[in-house]
Amino acid sequence: ETVLTQSPATLSLSPGERATLSCRASQSVGTYLAWYQQKRGQAPRLLIYDASNRATGIPARFRGSGSGTDFTLTISSLEPEDFAVYYCQQRRSWPSITFGQGTRLEIK
Amino acid sequence: QVQLVESGGAVVQPGTSLRLSCAASGFTFSKYAIHWVRQTPGKGLEWVAVVASDGRDKKYADSVKGRFTISRDNSKKTLDLQMNSLRSEDTALYYCVKDIKEGAAEYHFDYWGQGTLVTVS
Repeated sequence: ETVLTQSPATLSLSPGERATLSCRASQSVGTYLAWYQQKRGQAPRLLIYDASNRATGIPARFRGSGSGTDFTLTISSLEPEDFAVYYCQQRRSWPSITFGQGTRLEIK
Repeated sequence: QVQLVESGGAVVQPGTSLRLSCAASGFTFSKYAIHWVRQTPGKGLEWVAVVASDGRDKKYADSVKGRFTISRDNSKKTLDLQMNSLRSEDTALYYCVKDIKEGAAEYHFDYWGQGTLVTVS
């Protein structure tokens, strides 16, 4: 099983700051990685797929990068609505796909 | 707009069965693979099963293989998950989830329902 490790577990920042979230895979997943945002009481929402492609309707301040085992989600300038939990997910080893444990982005 | 509405969640005893359903609208249901993904506070997000757009190919997580069965009815735009021999570790919020790509499943998920809660206790 490919284990995805997200860091940090919690990130405390202020609106307007830049957020950098990391996802590391235990083996190469190529670019078969997605990022999701989940707000309290809501279902996850797809932000980025295949490492760097923004999903429909996702603002340009969200940027995904990386390949192989190291991936980054960057939010260039945090808006109040961006504070949430973020998950990465790999599909390289389908159907044994896996999710990371999440990074909580909280207001400082 | 795309909508996925789950139903059927309940509190059940270990060893019993439960059937979850998902009603889809707002997209051409018959063209997309559909998945079940579950979430718990302890284990996080876990992919459960997928059924191909035509309903013929089905795949399962090892944790549910042999106990759960996924099926779909393209004429009714519905998806089901038959869960047998339920265990405490199956307790979770179950989401019906649409695959991002038409045709063969790509295992990235662009639309999620709001989930239905299954408690095995």
